[in-house]
Amino acid sequence: QKEVEQDPGPLSVPEGAIVSLNCTYSNSAFQYFMWYRQYSRKGPELLMYTYSSGNKEDGRFTAQVDKSSKYISLFIRDSQPSDSATYLCAMSTYNTDKLIFGTGTRLQVFP
Amino acid sequence: DSGVTQTPKHLITATGQRVTLRCSPRSGDLSVYWYQQSLDQGLQFLIQYYNGEERAKGNILERFSAQQFPDLHSELNLSSLELGDSALYFCASSAPIRTSGSNEQFFGPGTRLTVL
Repeated sequence: QKEVEQDPGPLSVPEGAIVSLNCTYSNSAFQYFMWYRQYSRKGPELLMYTYSSGNKEDGRFTAQVDKSSKYISLFIRDSQPSDSATYLCAMSTYNTDKLIFGTGTRLQVFP
Repeated sequence: DSGVTQTPKHLITATGQRVTLRCSPRSGDLSVYWYQQSLDQGLQFLIQYYNGEERAKGNILERFSAQQFPDLHSELNLSSLELGDSALYFCASSAPIRTSGSNEQFFGPGTRLTVL
């Protein structure tokens, strides 16, 4: 079993929809949670960073962490065709800096 | 633009050869990380350097080595290349959790390695 599980998709939604992306994890020591966006053949771009549990909002993006369920989510409101990309969750423990990534969910937003 | 630079963008070489990938971290970041992204394995952590010293190692092959120089740039050396080493190699940089309070890592554009 992988430490971090993520549905690979693809997830196809119409423009303007609310998108929900999720990851589950098995290591209860994870404290730092991140979401990255990766366009084809480009470097991952940091979207959201959350420490421990709770919600964080930044523009159209909201990140949620539920440590009791070992579940994290990224919500995208008013999705745009430019949001079409692969979204990667990543996490790390307090003791190490290395990131453990999910496999990524491919999102397609059609006009 | 994340502020992390990587060269070259593309590298095509033959099996058995050796290549060097270069990374310059964001200004002020002391930590450099190397990750490998392949279709079947996703993004995998290889190795971390902090201020010139090795800090953590992941599933890095013995044929691979890295170093971080006094000016904080880093190089990843891949030798005795095999077909399976074809992948995207990313460098990331950050300030360590214990000094910055966060583990936000910023990725470079990557080097695409093709081994023929």
